Amino acid sequence: GNSVTQMEGPVTLSEEAFLTINCTYTATGYPSLFWYVQYPGEGLQLLLKATKADDKGSNKGFEATYRKETTSFHLEKGSVQVSDSAVYFCALTDVETSYDKVIFGPGTSLSVIP
Amino acid sequence: GAVVSQHPSRVICKSGTSVKIECRSLDFQATTMFWYRQFPKQSLMLMATSNEGSKATYEQGVEKDKFLINHASLTLSTLTVTSAHPEDSSFYICSAATGDYEQYFGPGTRLTVT
Repeated sequence: GNSVTQMEGPVTLSEEAFLTINCTYTATGYPSLFWYVQYPGEGLQLLLKATKADDKGSNKGFEATYRKETTSFHLEKGSVQVSDSAVYFCALTDVETSYDKVIFGPGTSLSVIP
Repeated sequence: GAVVSQHPSRVICKSGTSVKIECRSLDFQATTMFWYRQFPKQSLMLMATSNEGSKATYEQGVEKDKFLINHASLTLSTLTVTSAHPEDSSFYICSAATGDYEQYFGPGTRLTVT
């Protein structure tokens, strides 16, 4: 079945450090891939997405590239800020098998310290 | 952008009572809405999928008689937790799909059963 795996957290970085959160997926069809962010006590916000191989999603300095050959969608940011502290979820939707159903990874907690 | 609201944002109720949570798509019509449950420091667990005017489809292990879902219109879905118990305390998040394979999430409702 479809699944998403993320690197385990929590991740703690100093301000302005480089961020990578690894995400790999298993899907039977051609999934769309997403990164969602959840700030403390809040719901989920879509951070970025990519709908086909080699697409790069980007938003607020974050980037992720859809790599079909490695089934990966790693999240990166060149210089993190304290305000980036949140939980990040990698996710996929696979229209061929589960219309509209989102499969979430376990989430990776990020803490950025001044 | 597409906005989804939830009401209430927080609710405390006594054991044995029922609680209703509303999910509204504010600026678009949602043919499908989803209800998730999130335990502390964990990922989102899909509870059910609801389509306007039809019965909800529940995920395996979710009690349909305990978690009543009504999707009366294209902009409103409700989740009623019946005869709530302390183990039902959780963060409940809804989302709405527009048909372009993307979901928009509400801010969540924190339920505490005493």
